[in-house]
Formats: sequence, structure tokens, C-alpha cells
Amino acid sequence: QSVLAQPPSVSGAPGQRVTISCTGGSSNIGAGHNVHWYQQFPGTAPQPLIYRSAYRPSGVPERFSASKSGTSASLAITGLQADDEATYYCQSFDTSLSAWVFGGGTKLTVL
Amino acid sequence: VQLLQSGAEEKKPGASVKVSCKASGYVFTVHHIHWVRQAPGKGLEWMGWINPNRGDTNSALNFRGRVTMTSDTSINTAYLELSELTSADTAVYYCARATDDGDFDSWGQGFPVTVSS
Repeated sequence: QSVLAQPPSVSGAPGQRVTISCTGGSSNIGAGHNVHWYQQFPGTAPQPLIYRSAYRPSGVPERFSASKSGTSASLAITGLQADDEATYYCQSFDTSLSAWVFGGGTKLTVL
Repeated sequence: VQLLQSGAEEKKPGASVKVSCKASGYVFTVHHIHWVRQAPGKGLEWMGWINPNRGDTNSALNFRGRVTMTSDTSINTAYLELSELTSADTAVYYCARATDDGDFDSWGQGFPVTVSS
């Protein structure tokens, strides 16, 4: 059971918009800690997608955006493309555990 | 920035494994190195971090007593050693560079470890 809860899977057709939620608690997201997002393709290392809850590293398309509110965060992908098909992870820090924590990951399928 | 992890290991239960992570393209002592593992078909699991500048470390509760993290600043390399291996330790072990914001902005390619009798 992950400290940060993500839906196991989401799907959408090409061109559509999808969102992936990341629900935490008062000791992590709710405590004001940053939420970061990673994209992982099978057999490869995770790659940074969003940092500090809403910022994109250089090279990440504007189609990817994220926000944070209260004890939750969400990642939005607009204009879905076939090569967006990957697993997405949120990550934060938990004060009570004194540990970096990940969501369980959400597999995005582009229909 | 590059974190180089190469090879793979197969170990027997009860053995130890040591994974290396060679950093290049930045000042090694400025950023903490974290270790994250991923069991087959599973999600990411944070294991701990090392501050290469001072050598201090912190590990997740799940691994305390079994994990040793070290670094050699003369060759810009961080190491993770995990002892008392069981089949549940079969995973890909990643090193990652941490920023001041708490995210991981660069990852090694991963080091597969298989524990099997």
C-alpha cells in the first residue's frame, strides 16, 4: 500500500485530455511538500516530467501540466499521443516517515 | 549530467550485493544521491540517500540494518550494498540525483539484481 494513492490505470483516445490523481495526507502533500511526477516506459528508468508540483523540465511538452491542492495533486495530459503510453508516478516527502514516497503508479493507455 | 550503472547480478538467498553509480557532468559532492528500487511489474520504492560531501546517510525503515550506502569522492561514485538477500529483493536498483526541491532530476539506467537459489 503506497503512501500516495494513484489510480492503477487510465485511458484516453488520441487528442483527448486525461488526468491522473495523486492523493496523500497531512504528513506529505498536505504538509506543503512538493509533488513531482515521473514518466516511465517499460524497461527504462523513470524520467522527470514535473517538478515542484507544477514546473516542466526543459524538453517536456506543454501538453503536460500539474497542480496541487490540499492533500492531493494531479497530472493532466492534453492532446494525447500514442507515445504518451507509459506509467506515471507521483513523488513527495513524508514528514512523519522522514522518507521520500512514491505513488503506486498509473498506467496510461492510449486507445 | 549522467549517472552510470552497468551490469547485472544474480545472487543466492542470504548473500549481499553491491551496486555502483558513477556520476559525471556535475560536482558530485553538491547533490545527494538516492537509491530507488523496482521489483518486476511493481512500482518505485525509495530506499535511502547519501550525502557524498559528508558521507551521512538515511535509509527507509524497511531497509535499516540491511542497507549500507557509501561514496568515493575521488572517483565520483556512490555505492549501495544490500545484505541478507531474499527473493523479495529481486528488482532493478536505480540511483538518482536529488535537487534541493526534493525531486530526482537525473537517474541511472538501473542495475538488475536477481535473487534465486
